[in-house]
Amino acid sequence: DGGITQSPKYLFRKEGQNVTLSCEQNLNHDAMYWYRQDPGQGLRLIYYSQIVNDFQKGDIAEGYSVSREKKESFPLTVTSAQKNPTAFYLCASSMEGGRPDTQYFGPGTRLTVL
Amino acid sequence: LAKTTQPISMDSYEGQEVNITCSHNNIATNDYITWYQQFPSQGPRFIIQGYKTKVTNEVASLFIPADRKSSTLSLPRVSLSDTAVYYCLVGGVGSQGNLIFGKGTKLSVKP
Repeated sequence: DGGITQSPKYLFRKEGQNVTLSCEQNLNHDAMYWYRQDPGQGLRLIYYSQIVNDFQKGDIAEGYSVSREKKESFPLTVTSAQKNPTAFYLCASSMEGGRPDTQYFGPGTRLTVL
Repeated sequence: LAKTTQPISMDSYEGQEVNITCSHNNIATNDYITWYQQFPSQGPRFIIQGYKTKVTNEVASLFIPADRKSSTLSLPRVSLSDTAVYYCLVGGVGSQGNLIFGKGTKLSVKP
């Protein structure tokens, strides 16, 4: 089945530790995205990448880092510099070009920093 | 980028038709209107997209008036499983990195 996967579903970390969230897609999509969602809020864009080896900051990139070495993978690292990292993290992908294309979302990773 | 305004919440009963309106007064000529649905602890799911007039698929209809300053998502005969948050987004070509998911509309369907 084609789709987008995120792992793990739940993640616990101690304050001050870096943590990397995985995102993989086999949809052959060019673009990938990372969003953060806090309780009762909408999604806020952290980073996005339209092509391999290139990515752009979103609205709340501070304290986060990404890489895009392969088309299929777009891991997100939550660093110790992120002041309030506990949140629900969503990865998405889409085709590029033409009318705004549908973003396909993964199941999300809920990160809790203790 | 066009900002959208939607009701924070709506209530309905099973079997009713639900209409959720989104306001986007400064929509640009090349902007499309897209609606997503999100269940708790899941990623949003695409529902429908349109540019003008009416679009219908197996899940919903989208009505867009001629001035395109608003749009209405119509869900026919809702069921309990339609309880979710619905987001209205506006964006054009190349705007994927700038689509804004606001707080959406929380639809509660009651038996």
